[in-house]
Amino acid sequence: KQEVTQIPAALSVPEGENLVLNCSFTDSAIYNLQWFRQDPGKGLTSLLLIQSSQREQTSGRLNASLDKSSGRSTLYIAASQPGDSATYLCAVRGEASGGSNYKLTFGKGTLLTVNP
Amino acid sequence: DGGITQSPKYLFRKEGQNVTLSCEQNLNHDAMYWYRQDPGQGLRLIYYSQIVNDFQKGDIAEGYSVSREKKESFPLTVTSAQKNPTAFYLCASSIGQGASYGYTFGSGTRLTVV
Repeated sequence: KQEVTQIPAALSVPEGENLVLNCSFTDSAIYNLQWFRQDPGKGLTSLLLIQSSQREQTSGRLNASLDKSSGRSTLYIAASQPGDSATYLCAVRGEASGGSNYKLTFGKGTLLTVNP
Repeated sequence: DGGITQSPKYLFRKEGQNVTLSCEQNLNHDAMYWYRQDPGQGLRLIYYSQIVNDFQKGDIAEGYSVSREKKESFPLTVTSAQKNPTAFYLCASSIGQGASYGYTFGSGTRLTVV
């Protein structure tokens, strides 16, 4: 059974700092890995999608890396801003056959607070 | 713009009552999903559907039911058999099997038992 762990559970940083969020997963047989952002009481917004054959993806100040063999991904946020404050969720899509390869398995998230 | 619309945003249920959460997408995605989010537990899969007129149980299907009569719509009914329905419910969609595309989520429905 796939398990996804995110560390740390919460992180508070001053504005302008560069930071790294970590995600690990137990089964390396994945289709892809997706990072989401969730604001309080809101739905999930997709940030980056990394295919299993890729090593990293970049979007603006965000960079996500994937080491499939070791079961790890990191989300790097450069020059953090107060508007980056949110919960960041990591999710993996498994390669299992049949219907289960549709399933996303989520970590519990990292609550990020960027202080002005 | 294409996306997923969930309604209502807030829903209150009395004990013993069935309620239905709406999810509509105009992304032409084949697969749709329902997740439940509770504080400290992350998201858990309730039901998913790969094509019209077909759906499968997820990890926590007991007390829930779904239908998929149209590609665009995947409503979730929370029945009286669900003992602890208070949670945030999220609907999602993806292109489907064989594609390496990600998921798109709706804005969620917060269900509270009163």
